[in-house]
Amino acid sequence: QQQVKQSPQSLIVQKGGISIINCAYENTAFDYFPWYQQFPGKGPALLIAIRPDVSEKKEGRFTISFNKSAKQFSLHIMDSQPGDSATYFCAASAQGAQKLVFGQGTRLTINP
Amino acid sequence: ETGVTQSPTHLIKTRGQQVTLRCSSQSGHNTVSWYQQALGQGPQFIFQYYREEENGRGNFPPRFSGLQFPNYSSELNVNALELDDSALYLCASSLWPSGRTDTQYFGPGTRLTVL
Repeated sequence: QQQVKQSPQSLIVQKGGISIINCAYENTAFDYFPWYQQFPGKGPALLIAIRPDVSEKKEGRFTISFNKSAKQFSLHIMDSQPGDSATYFCAASAQGAQKLVFGQGTRLTINP
Repeated sequence: ETGVTQSPTHLIKTRGQQVTLRCSSQSGHNTVSWYQQALGQGPQFIFQYYREEENGRGNFPPRFSGLQFPNYSSELNVNALELDDSALYLCASSLWPSGRTDTQYFGPGTRLTVL
C-alpha cells in the first residue's frame, strides 16, 4: 500500500514535443504528490507538487494532472528541451511533504 | 540562504566497517530526513529527525541510526556495513509544520561504496 508505481522507465522525446510520465498509488491517505528532477551526480530537485483538492497544477512548461478516483497522477512537460534530459521521480506522502514514498524513476531523453 | 550540504561527497568502506555521514540543513529548517538511493532506483526513506528525536522510520534495520544536533544538522551512522549498503545517501531538510508550503529540499548526496 506504500508503493508508488511509475511508468515508463525510460522515454525519448523529440525537442519541442510533449513528455508524459505517469504514476499510480494505492494509499488513499496520501495527500501530497511532488515531482522531482534529478541530474547525474546531483540530489533530486523539486519541480512541482500538487495536493488532492485540485485536479491540475501548471508551472511554466510543467503540468501535473491528478485523478483522485483513479489514484493516478502524471507530469506533462510541454515544449520539451534537451536541458530537460534527466531522471524524473514522482513521490507521495501522507504527512505533508514529509516521509516521501518515491516511484522508480523515468529516464527522459530529449533529442535535439 | 544556504542550501542543504552533505559530507563527504564520496566514501569507500569495506564490509563490516562503520560509517558516519553528515548533513547541514538549509537555513531556517528544523527537520532532517535521510534517504537511500540505490543505483537506478528511487530514494527510499530511512528516517526523519525533528527536535533532535527520531520522528518516523522506514524499513531499515537498527544498524542504521542517526542524530540531530541543536543547530539542526544531522548525522547518519551505519554499522556492520554490507555490500547492499552501497548507494547514494541523500539528506533532505524542511520546515515542519508549515502547512501548504511544506517542501523537502535535498542535498547532493554522499556516494557510499562498500567493498
